[in-house]
Amino acid sequence: QKEVEQDPGPLSVPEGAIVSLNCTYSNSAFQYFMWYRQYSRKGPELLMYTYSSGNKEDGRFTAQVDKSSKYISLFIRDSQPSDSATYLCAMSAGGATNKLIFGTGTLLAVQP
Amino acid sequence: DAGITQSPRHKVTETGTPVTLRCHQTENHRYMYWYRQDPGHGLRLIHYSYGVKDTDKGEVSDGYSVSRSKTEDFLLTLESATSSQTSVYFCAAFSANYGYTFGSGTRLTVV
Repeated sequence: QKEVEQDPGPLSVPEGAIVSLNCTYSNSAFQYFMWYRQYSRKGPELLMYTYSSGNKEDGRFTAQVDKSSKYISLFIRDSQPSDSATYLCAMSAGGATNKLIFGTGTLLAVQP
Repeated sequence: DAGITQSPRHKVTETGTPVTLRCHQTENHRYMYWYRQDPGHGLRLIHYSYGVKDTDKGEVSDGYSVSRSKTEDFLLTLESATSSQTSVYFCAAFSANYGYTFGSGTRLTVV
């Protein structure tokens, strides 16, 4: 079993829709949770960075972490065609090495 | 890219040849990482470094070695390239203020 599981999609939604992206994980030591956006042939770009459980909002993006269920989510409101990309969840236990473990990524297409 | 530069951006090499990829950072990050990205696998950690001359293996380290002789440079070497190492390679660095930031990647093809 992978430490981090993510539905690869693809996910196709109409412009303006609310998008929900999710990951589950098995390692209870994870305490730093991130979402990255990656456009084709580009490097991952940090979207949201959350410590421990709770919600964090930044513009149209909301990240939720439920450590009791080992489940994290990213919500995108009023989705735009420019949001079309691969979204990667990632998490770390911190500590001496700060290793970052990724999900496989979800490909999102927002149709105009 | 928050001061992270990867070189080369593209490389084609023959099976059995050694290849070295370079990651250079200008932000004095202590922690640096090499990942490979393949369809269906996401980003997988190859090796990482938590200081000069302090390195360790990630989940897919076979066939790879790394060196970090100074803070700003983290080198990834494919000792004898194989077709299974055709991939996109990303370098990343971690800071407490900004989290993890990535370079633009190196697209390596082994023929």
